[in-house]
Amino acid sequence: GDSVTQMEGPVTLSEEAFLTINCTYTATGYPSLFWYVQYPGEGLQLLLKATKADDKGSNKGFEATYRKETTSFHLEKGSVQVSDSAVYFCALAKAAGNKLTFGGGTRVLVKP
Amino acid sequence: EAGVVQSPRYKIIEKKQPVAFWCNPISGHNTLYWYRQNLGQGPELLIRYENEEAVDDSQLPKDRFSAERLKGVDSTLKIQPAELGDSAVYLCASSLPTSGEQFFGPGTRLTVL
Repeated sequence: GDSVTQMEGPVTLSEEAFLTINCTYTATGYPSLFWYVQYPGEGLQLLLKATKADDKGSNKGFEATYRKETTSFHLEKGSVQVSDSAVYFCALAKAAGNKLTFGGGTRVLVKP
Repeated sequence: EAGVVQSPRYKIIEKKQPVAFWCNPISGHNTLYWYRQNLGQGPELLIRYENEEAVDDSQLPKDRFSAERLKGVDSTLKIQPAELGDSAVYLCASSLPTSGEQFFGPGTRLTVL
């Protein structure tokens, strides 16, 4: 079946450091790929998405590129802030409206 | 625009007791999802509705879990009887049928003692 694997955390960084969270997936066809973020005490929020190969999703300084050849969707941010401390989830969906299949989540802690 | 509403936010019960969770999706969202999120893991789908119809309930433990979405709006998820392993956060999400974006509620944190 479909699956998503992402790097385990926690990832601890200093403010203004570069952040990368690796995500790879296993799925047939061409799923849509997502990054969701869960800030402390809040619900899951969509951070960015990409629906086809080579698409780049971006939001709030975060970027991820849909790489079909490596089945990856790594999340990057060039300069993190304390407010980026959260749990980040990579996910896929086979089609619009279908269920999301999530990775296990990566906790990121940014220290001032 | 109001988001997905869930209640209660927290629930503590003893094993073998029944429990119910309620969800009100975003207005106009035909598709509704219930996910379960165990501690330290990503959410997993329990059931998906298109309007009133459950179109994917393959992961719902039907011996103890039930769900309904009367009139295609609000939904209720029930567990009877609850077991220790049911302790988790139960998330409700909704989306438009043609959109890939699911909007999540704050979740109900269930603790079974």
